[in-house]
Amino acid sequence: QVHLVQSGAEVRKPGASVKVSCEASGFNFNDYVIHWVRQAPDQRLEWMGWINAGNGNTEYAQNFQGRVTFTRDTSATTAYMELSGLTSEDTTVYFCARELFTSGWSRWLDPWGQGTPVTVSA
Amino acid sequence: DIQLTQSPSFLSASVGDRVTITCRASQGIGNYLAWYQQKPGGAPKLLIYATAALQSGVPGRFSGSGSGTEFSLTVSSLQPEDFATYYCQQLQAYPYTFGQGTKLEIK
Repeated sequence: QVHLVQSGAEVRKPGASVKVSCEASGFNFNDYVIHWVRQAPDQRLEWMGWINAGNGNTEYAQNFQGRVTFTRDTSATTAYMELSGLTSEDTTVYFCARELFTSGWSRWLDPWGQGTPVTVSA
Repeated sequence: DIQLTQSPSFLSASVGDRVTITCRASQGIGNYLAWYQQKPGGAPKLLIYATAALQSGVPGRFSGSGSGTEFSLTVSSLQPEDFATYYCQQLQAYPYTFGQGTKLEIK
């Protein structure tokens, strides 16, 4: 079965960084792109970007550029999202998700990890 | 950025009802439209991809349609497990935006 399992809840102080992991199983990790999405307190979903697990290429949403870094460890079939300069506005749940696509026709995200709550508090 | 506007934001319905949620894009997005269902405390779950393709394992009472800038998700006969929040997402242009969500509640 295809699964993405994320690391557990994190608590950080303002100004600190957090690194969330997303371990893949049930598929060839190197063949896929992994996206990161967060969910604001008002429940709106916000796309953060993606990493190509095979070649390490990345795309970052402009709202997060300079503050977020995606990496991966192919031997561990795990993707990572590191967010720096944390503020209280970064307190939310972070999800990873695998991209599927049909070239030139469509793309979508499936499955999703279970989510990692991050709390930023002094 | 491409804006996605869902309507309604809240929907109250009964078991057995037929409901439709609309997602309007600020510009054309081709077939790059997906629908997700999310229950409290859970992750989004893919229901529909490429506007109208039903994800494997998703009940046939869910269907998607639309083109250009107007898309919809229909549930033909609501079941108790369908009461959740639904999101559309466009994956045609960066950033890959989501609608604000439609919370489907039991009447």
